[in-house]
Order: sequence, then structure tokens, then C-alpha cells
Amino acid sequence: QKEVEQNSGPLSVPEGAIASLNCTYSDRVSQSFFWYRQYSGKSPELIMSIYSNGDKEDGRFTAQLNKASQYVSLLIRDSQPSDSATYLCAVIGGSQGNLIFGKGTKLSVKP
Amino acid sequence: KAGVTQTPRYLIKTRGQQVTLSCSPISGHRSVSWYQQTPGQGLQFLFEYFSETQRNKGNFPGRFSGRQFSNSRSEMNVSTLELGDSALYLCASSRVGVRESNTGELFFGEGSRLTVL
Repeated sequence: QKEVEQNSGPLSVPEGAIASLNCTYSDRVSQSFFWYRQYSGKSPELIMSIYSNGDKEDGRFTAQLNKASQYVSLLIRDSQPSDSATYLCAVIGGSQGNLIFGKGTKLSVKP
Repeated sequence: KAGVTQTPRYLIKTRGQQVTLSCSPISGHRSVSWYQQTPGQGLQFLFEYFSETQRNKGNFPGRFSGRQFSNSRSEMNVSTLELGDSALYLCASSRVGVRESNTGELFFGEGSRLTVL
């Protein structure tokens, strides 16, 4: 079983809409969760981190964590064409302590 | 502040050859992680080095190896190349090990794109 799973997409939303990106993880002992953004041809960059159940907001981005369901999500409000990228969910693996990535969800925001 | 530097950026090899990739982390960063990125498998963890010690290793065959020097620069080596090794190899650095920082913040280089023919 893949440790971090995401829908590969592509997810297409119109400009101004809310984009919802989802991720599940298999290791129950994981405590730290992250969202990275990767533009085409570029390297991943960290945009959000969340450690506690509930919501964490940063500008137009909201990360949500539900440890009981082993579920992490990222909401992007007022989506812009510049948000078009692949979003990678990442978890610090409980057993080894390294950062494990999902395959990513490709988001396309249409003007 | 200079970012993570990876060399070479592009390289083409043939099956059976070996390759060495280099990574210079951000100044002051002591941890270097290596990932393989392919369209089908995404970002897969290869290994992490912290203060010249390999902390952990991903599920890759022994043909994949690495090391870290006292100046925190790191190299990874792939021997007996196979077609399936064609990928983007990304190096990422952090101030301390991922386990120690718990911030999950890795700073990635632009990668070395390896093509095996």
C-alpha cells in the first residue's frame, strides 16, 4: 500500500473558484503533514504545514487535517491561473523520519 | 543567499554505465536528501544524509549509493544503469535532519535529468 495517496487529476477549476485537493496517508503514527507546490519544470516548494487536527489558514490557502481518518486536504480560495501547478502532499514517515511524498495532483485554473 | 546547486543538470548515459551526481546544499544546511522523480512514480525517497551519516534509505537497489562530505556537499552514484533509471534526480537540503526539525521544509535544487539509452 502506497504510504501517501492523492488523486492524480488533472483537477480543473475556473478562476475565482475553490480548489480542493485531498490526500490520505497510511502510517497512523505520522504527526507532521505538508503541502508542496511544483510548477511545471520547476522544483517543489513548501507552501503549508499542519500538525494538529483542524484547519490552518494562510492567505488563500487552508490546510485541513483529520488524524482519525488519516486525511489531509488543501483548499485554495479564489483560485488564480498562477495557482496552476502540481500539488504534492508529504508526510514525515513515522518509522524512518524521512519526508514521503504522494504522486501529486495537477491543478489547472482556467481564466 | 545561494540555493541548492545540482550538477550536472542534464546527462545522457547508456545501459551498464555508471553516473555520479553532485549536490551543494544551502550554506549552513547540514542535511541533504535525494529523491527520484518520474511521471509514473512521483517523488521517491532515495536517502538522507546528515552530518556525513546516512540517516535512512529508501526502497532502491544497492546500485544506488551516496555520500556526504564534511562541507555538507553530497554525491549520489548509480552503477550499472538501467533504462528505468531515467528520471529527474532532486537533491534537497535542510538546516538539520528532517526528523530533528519536524518542519518538513526541504529546499530543492533544480535537479539532474538523467536519460539512459
